[in-house]
Amino acid sequence: QSGLTQPASVSGSPGQSITISCTGTSSDVGGYNYVSWYQVHPGQAPKLIIYYLTNRPSGVSPRFSGSKSGNTASLTISGLQAEDEADYYCSSYTSTSTPYVFGTGTKVTVL
Amino acid sequence: QLQLQESGPGLVKLSETLSLTCTVSGGSISSSDYYWAAIRQPPGKGLEWVGSIFYTGNTYYNPSLRGRVTISVHTSKNQFSLRLSSVTAADTAIYYCARVSRGGSRAFDVWGQGTVVIVSS
Repeated sequence: QSGLTQPASVSGSPGQSITISCTGTSSDVGGYNYVSWYQVHPGQAPKLIIYYLTNRPSGVSPRFSGSKSGNTASLTISGLQAEDEADYYCSSYTSTSTPYVFGTGTKVTVL
Repeated sequence: QLQLQESGPGLVKLSETLSLTCTVSGGSISSSDYYWAAIRQPPGKGLEWVGSIFYTGNTYYNPSLRGRVTISVHTSKNQFSLRLSSVTAADTAIYYCARVSRGGSRAFDVWGQGTVVIVSS
């Protein structure tokens, strides 16, 4: 089971919106809504920011939103802020022998 | 609030066995709503699911590690542990413990701080 494909980097200016894609197959992203997104700041543990495709845990900013089209899930960060500069990973449940797979990771830079 | 804490040697010799313990506090490992997972991140690379365990002892492992990985649960201590045998340099990573929802979201919603494990010769 290969990792889900994400762009290596995405950048934007403060206040702008950016979107990170996460491409899989019909065995994972395309077949389930069990897609989640994680924010990882350097030296810190990953933090769940989106679960079940579109849901935000309590305390997560509404500036983060998730969606899906076919085999590609997306994370949109609206009103980009300096504190959003981090690595972002998607994850999906799969129907293969590897029940969980992560994306390759995207580094978000706030210009 | 539920917390996870990893513990174990930070240095493991080539071909030996890596052993880590994850301690759950602020909640019970015996919940029927969650699995418990080990996830790792090699230097400069992405996250990789290693395996998961249910409090009953049911386990699921990453096939790429099958044969080398064992996860066990110790309900009386509210802990689960990871053993990875015959380690190589490729096993050098930050190792995380995480809780994963069994039903609704299948998301890793609580993570430990992670522990660095270096495989040395």
